[in-house]
Amino acid sequence: DTGVSQDPRHKITKRGQNVTFRCDPISEHNRLYWYRQTLGQGPEFLTYFQNEAQLEKSRLLSDRFSAERPKGSFSTLEIQRTEQGDSAMYLCASSPLTGSGANVLTFGAGSRLTVL
Amino acid sequence: GQNIDQPTEMTATEGAIVQINCTYQTSGFNGLFWYQQHAGEAPTFLSYNVLDGLEEKGRFSSFLSRSKGYSYLLLKELQMKDSASYLCAVRDTAGGYQKVTFGIGTKLQVIP
Repeated sequence: DTGVSQDPRHKITKRGQNVTFRCDPISEHNRLYWYRQTLGQGPEFLTYFQNEAQLEKSRLLSDRFSAERPKGSFSTLEIQRTEQGDSAMYLCASSPLTGSGANVLTFGAGSRLTVL
Repeated sequence: GQNIDQPTEMTATEGAIVQINCTYQTSGFNGLFWYQQHAGEAPTFLSYNVLDGLEEKGRFSSFLSRSKGYSYLLLKELQMKDSASYLCAVRDTAGGYQKVTFGIGTKLQVIP
């Protein structure tokens, strides 16, 4: 297994466009998290999946953001009508549900979004 | 909700010991994590505490006091490569779900 994969690594878009990011977690990991990180800040929680169920979504998250994990494997994060304030690194992390690894979030390299 | 506080920046000398503190407030505490993040890279796991006490792992140790809502990360024999941001994160199961919230991170600069 190559770890958590995210695609694309970099995305530059114009304000008002829609963007979609994909995350492929480690294959046996049931839990999947999306975070957003801006320069000088810690990762900000966006949403959490356990298998295909989206169990938690940040109240700070605009309705322009939506995430799916249709088969409990890969996940997508879509941002509609992007704004300049959406510019950030979008991080995906995963962990198993049980066992000692359940206490470790493994992060992907992130998808950096720049909105012009 | 959660509130996690940690210093924004620290500087320490190569070979020395540094302690990075973290205080938190949460309604359904279920574990505290420390992550290391080098500039431009993803966070990597360092330690996990769920019970009070000290967890030691090589040059790094992490301490937790649940009654005080307090943790620290201790780095010994500092090396230049330890220059990074250190993130304190708390897992909260209020509502029955697993939410991991990160602090702002402490940017550590190791100087010769």
